[in-house]
Amino acid sequence: QVHLVQSGAEVKKPGASVKVSCKASGYAFVDFAISWVRQAPGLGLEWMGWISPYNENTNSAQNLQGRLTMTTDTSTNTAYMELRDLTSDDTAIYYCARDLLGYDFWGQGTLVTVSS
Amino acid sequence: SYVVSQPPAVSVAPGETARITCGGDNIGQKSVYWYQKKSGQAPVSVIHIDSRRPSGIPERFSGSNSGNTATLTITRVEAGDEADYFCQVWFSPDHPIVLFGGGTKLTV
Repeated sequence: QVHLVQSGAEVKKPGASVKVSCKASGYAFVDFAISWVRQAPGLGLEWMGWISPYNENTNSAQNLQGRLTMTTDTSTNTAYMELRDLTSDDTAIYYCARDLLGYDFWGQGTLVTVSS
Repeated sequence: SYVVSQPPAVSVAPGETARITCGGDNIGQKSVYWYQKKSGQAPVSVIHIDSRRPSGIPERFSGSNSGNTATLTITRVEAGDEADYFCQVWFSPDHPIVLFGGGTKLTV
């Protein structure tokens, strides 16, 4: 069955970068885009961007352009999300999700805390 | 820019019917997706493409979409349905982006 397993929680200082991984199994990784979605404490879901593992085409939310990099490694069926120049506003749970008829499978989430 | 709006909260008694709306300009011309999000858990897809239920989602969950409003309907509401519900659409001004509604807290 389909699984998306994300890397563990991170604590970062303001101005630092964070890289979260999302390892997929149970399906043909290159056939479906992966999106990244985050939820800050007490707030709703925020779409960050998506990437096609087939050709590494990406698209991202305008407010994150310049700070967000999404990549994939098809040899390990893993997607990565790197966010730079972190501020306290980036404190959130970050999710990866498979893009099929909306988001049919989600990772378990990775808590990223930005604190001095 | 396109805006997707949801009521912050809906409250129903067990056994009643809950209706959660998702508003947007001509949203009936877009495909709407609905997710259930419980505290400490990843979101779960409960409706895709307006009205289709993913495998494993009870028939009590249904969706509709017309005009400026999409609606998630949960009949015979149970305590376990208490969660935040988010609608989602794709918006393509020049390149496609995803928009989520602000979420609706369903209290049972």
